[in-house]
Amino acid sequence: QVQLQESGPGLVKPSQTLSLTCTVSGGSISSGSYYWSWIRQPAGKGLEWIGRIYTSGSTNYNPSLKSRVTISVDTSKNQFSLKLSSVTAADTAVYYCARDGNYGDYGDYWGQGTLVTVSS
Amino acid sequence: EIVMTQSPATLSVSPGERATLSCRASQSVSSNLAWYQQKPGQAPRLLIYGASTRATGIPARFSGSGSGTEFTLTISSLQSEDFAVYYCQQYNNWLPLTFGGGTKVEIK
Repeated sequence: QVQLQESGPGLVKPSQTLSLTCTVSGGSISSGSYYWSWIRQPAGKGLEWIGRIYTSGSTNYNPSLKSRVTISVDTSKNQFSLKLSSVTAADTAVYYCARDGNYGDYGDYWGQGTLVTVSS
Repeated sequence: EIVMTQSPATLSVSPGERATLSCRASQSVSSNLAWYQQKPGQAPRLLIYGASTRATGIPARFSGSGSGTEFTLTISSLQSEDFAVYYCQQYNNWLPLTFGGGTKVEIK
């Protein structure tokens, strides 16, 4: 059973870079043909897809965030990471990592989520 | 960007009753539509993919239907654990992947 766990600072100052890591267990991040995604959810609001990285390392980003987002993978640590630069209070949210399914780009496995607050 | 619109925003239902949730896409997504359930403080849980295929371990009272731009999630007989927020998501070839705004199913 694949499990994902987000980690990183819970508080980031405005204009700085938010950095989160998703550690995958129960399977190798480099096996199979999967997309590994980041999704966020501001308090009381809906879900926003941030972007994803494929097993091969290719990436796709939400155009609304593309200029500020970098997603990378470290297969030796079985992790993938999110960097979001120049953050503002609007980036305060619960951030989830997820893996897509066997039959499409839906979120089959999700991490529990981690709250990141942007505040000075 | 494909816009996903869910209705109603809130659905009040009594336990044991049937709940019908709607999701509309701004353009066709074929059958590339998923439904999730989210409870407070928890990550979304996949219920349905391919518009109508139940994910592993999902009870048969959950069913999905539709294709193109109109989709429905039906919960045949609501149990206490089903009161939650439900989201639809399109995963057609168009990026970005997008979610609906959610429908909250509450106890009547």
